[in-house]
Amino acid sequence: QVQLQESGPGLVKPSETLSLTCTVSGGSITTHYWSWIRQPPGKGLEWIGYLYYTGNTNYNPSLKSRVTISVDTSRNQFSLKMTSVTAADTAVYYCVVVAATGADYWGQGTLVIVSS
Amino acid sequence: QAVVTQEPSLTVSPGGTVTLTCGSSTGAVTSGHYPYWFQQKPGQAPRTLIYDISNKHSWTPARFSGSLLGGKAALTLSGAQPEDEAEYYCLLSYNGAWVFGGGTKLTVL
Repeated sequence: QVQLQESGPGLVKPSETLSLTCTVSGGSITTHYWSWIRQPPGKGLEWIGYLYYTGNTNYNPSLKSRVTISVDTSRNQFSLKMTSVTAADTAVYYCVVVAATGADYWGQGTLVIVSS
Repeated sequence: QAVVTQEPSLTVSPGGTVTLTCGSSTGAVTSGHYPYWFQQKPGQAPRTLIYDISNKHSWTPARFSGSLLGGKAALTLSGAQPEDEAEYYCLLSYNGAWVFGGGTKLTVL
């Protein structure tokens, strides 16, 4: 069974860079998408972006200027960097992989609070 | 950016059937939107029930099914159980850009 685990600081200061890593383990799938999704406290889900297996990236237009997603397949890890964070970026961040079949797998999420 | 619409809330009786829908501001939802459906219970991560319109994960209860219905994506729950009370989100793809619906709070009562 594919498992994903997010890791990174739970507290980031305003204007600094949020950095998260997702480690993928177990199972064997052909991954087509490495993606990040977030959920502010008490609110709905928001797509942040993804890295497609061809190397192309696609980001939410509202976040595009601040977000970078990268992957290290040799370590079964992919990462999210978000610059110039504000309190509005406080959320639970989920990493998601989508297989070639379309089936997707989620991490348990990690809460990131932006505060001084 | 497109807007994906869901019913804010629905109620179903135990053992009953309910259909949640997922509409698009750009027109009819088609197979090209690759609809996904997620279930989220309080304090838990979302769990995918349906992907690509009607495909189920190994953990998806048989009572859930997905389809396209009347220009929308639909999630039908047949034989609702108390444990199905949750928030349900749909996701549509617009030429590679993913957009979530606002969620439907389903009450089993």
